[in-house]
Amino acid sequence: GAGVSQSPSNKVTEKGKDVELRCDPISGHTALYWYRQSLGQGLEFLIYFQGNSAPDKSGLPSDRFSAERTGGSVSTLTIQRTQQEDSAVYLCASSLKGGWDSAQHFGDGTRLSIL
Amino acid sequence: AQSVTQLDSHVSVSEGTPVLLRCNYSSSYSPSLFWYVQHPNKGLQLLLKYTSAATLVKGINGFEAEFKKSETSFHLTKPSAHMSDAAEYFCVAAGNKLTFGGGTRVLVKP
Repeated sequence: GAGVSQSPSNKVTEKGKDVELRCDPISGHTALYWYRQSLGQGLEFLIYFQGNSAPDKSGLPSDRFSAERTGGSVSTLTIQRTQQEDSAVYLCASSLKGGWDSAQHFGDGTRLSIL
Repeated sequence: AQSVTQLDSHVSVSEGTPVLLRCNYSSSYSPSLFWYVQHPNKGLQLLLKYTSAATLVKGINGFEAEFKKSETSFHLTKPSAHMSDAAEYFCVAAGNKLTFGGGTRVLVKP
């Protein structure tokens, strides 16, 4: 069956540009999570959507980062005015019933490189 | 505060020999605990999950983990390593958020 799909798989952009990363969760999954994985910082939580509730944005590193989830399905993570330290792999995950103790299904990530 | 420590950043084993990946957690309550595996250029895949129903948890691909509250440990084992087990493994605790260990990279020698 279809898993979590992320696009693009790789993105190279110049410092200062805006980027949008897309995540298609598994159909029927109510919760969606974004993480960042970088060499120096390991895996960091960014943002969590659960159904129609207000998202948990507590992991977003700065106001340059934002995310939305339209219609309870597809999500877009936007990074404005990119900086070199934003270079990382951005992972999206979804889970059937939400909550931090639910098993999460991960996409293969978007590898973002800022020149 | 919740924390997860994976005691080995790298583990090297020969094919067919046992694998042991060590994980200790710190939490003010009993969290749910997970092991995930990540192959190169892939996302994380769930191996197994502990939720207090049983202290010995069996996962996919022959892996299992034992929860020991007295030692605050959740070590992952496999009796016989396969070449396809070469990957990075993450121990994860779930409380009011997910806390990831630093990862253990496993090398399997033929």
